[in-house]
Amino acid sequence: AQSVTQLDSHVSVSEGTPVLLRCNYSSSYSPSLFWYVQHPNKGLQLLLKYTSAATLVKGINGFEAEFKKSETSFHLTKPSAHMSDAAEYFCVVTFTGGGNKLTFGTGTQLKVEL
Amino acid sequence: GAGVSQSPSNKVTEKGKDVELRCDPISGHTALYWYRQRLGQGLEFLIYFQGNSAPDKSGLPSDRFSAERTGESVSTLTIQRTQQEDSAVYLCASSPQTGQAYGYTFGSGTRLTVV
Repeated sequence: AQSVTQLDSHVSVSEGTPVLLRCNYSSSYSPSLFWYVQHPNKGLQLLLKYTSAATLVKGINGFEAEFKKSETSFHLTKPSAHMSDAAEYFCVVTFTGGGNKLTFGTGTQLKVEL
Repeated sequence: GAGVSQSPSNKVTEKGKDVELRCDPISGHTALYWYRQRLGQGLEFLIYFQGNSAPDKSGLPSDRFSAERTGESVSTLTIQRTQQEDSAVYLCASSPQTGQAYGYTFGSGTRLTVV
């Protein structure tokens, strides 16, 4: 079985400071991992994905994530937060042979303050 | 089209009525997924279509839920005898073949409110 845990339901940062959104996964097989962002009243947008290539993955809008197998983690980071980053972020796992089902975390609401 | 299109964007229905939600995937995407997002929660998998293979219905919560897809085109999700706990945003996603390498493109969802 596969699962994903987002450790923080809410994260608040000041504009210009680093962002860290934590995600741990459980998967019996080699996983594919994604981060999606959902802005209010908007659809889910793919930020980045890990599919067994480079462990450090760079995505859109300056976000990146590092796959750490030993820690079963895929934390999302950004060096400097911008007001427009305020949104809900979902960590997602799937794996080959898992029926292509995406398993979503419960989401982390990111708040960016002036 | 350029993206995944869902209709209606909002639906308010009375308890006990049937509703039908529509999803137009990206042209050429063979895989189509339905998810449900209840308020304050993550997404729950409902059903998955891949080409002409039998759909994976393992996420459908009850027999009141059903979905159809003709070929690689439009899909409809039908909820019969709606209940208040069915209130949620229903999201559709499509991907070219298997999604791991490509990611999944989501529609903006249908917000269903059962009163």
